[in-house]
Amino acid sequence: AQTVTQSQPEMSVQEAETVTLSCTYDTSESDYYLFWYKQPPSRQMILVIRQEAYKQQNATENRFSVNFQKAAKSFSLKISDSQLGDAAMYFCAYRSAYNNNDMRFGAGTRLTVKP
Amino acid sequence: ETGVTQSPTHLIKTRGQQVTLRCSSQSGHNTVSWYQQALGQGPQFIFQYYREEENGRGNFPPRFSGLQFPNYSSELNVNALELDDSALYLCASSRDTDRVNSPLHFGNGTRLTVT
Repeated sequence: AQTVTQSQPEMSVQEAETVTLSCTYDTSESDYYLFWYKQPPSRQMILVIRQEAYKQQNATENRFSVNFQKAAKSFSLKISDSQLGDAAMYFCAYRSAYNNNDMRFGAGTRLTVKP
Repeated sequence: ETGVTQSPTHLIKTRGQQVTLRCSSQSGHNTVSWYQQALGQGPQFIFQYYREEENGRGNFPPRFSGLQFPNYSSELNVNALELDDSALYLCASSRDTDRVNSPLHFGNGTRLTVT
């Protein structure tokens, strides 16, 4: 079964600085999708960025980018120029390309942004 | 475009009771997934509904059941509530035209407390 591990329960960053959140996953599949979701206190999970495993190029969305290392099964999220509104729980998630019914989530990383 | 809406936002029930949670999917989405998020953990997949049929189920007992209606809204029913059922229940919808890569759009969740 696929598992997702986020080894950093909490992280903090100074406003305008850069922070990297770690995620590793375990799978025997060759085709899958990876996601980072943000969950602010409002509780709604918001998609931050996604990566197709067959693409070698790392995904970027404005200040958010990923470092996808398929061989190492690593999928880290880099947030540049951190803003106070970035403070939230961040969840890494895995979705199989063969059985897309469920998405596997990590336990999350709580990001604090200091002014 | 209307987002995913869930009701109620909060609910308190007694052990042994039954509960129904409701979800309206985002406009244009016909797939609904339900997740349970215990405190301090990532969401766990309960089941998915696609065109009114259950389309995949996670490791949850049969007392967790669901429905999807012709307008693609959905219900999650939990019978014989247990204390461990206390959690945030998240509903997510997606399109079927690109299901494998279609990101999930989440509602704000229902916080269920079982006493």
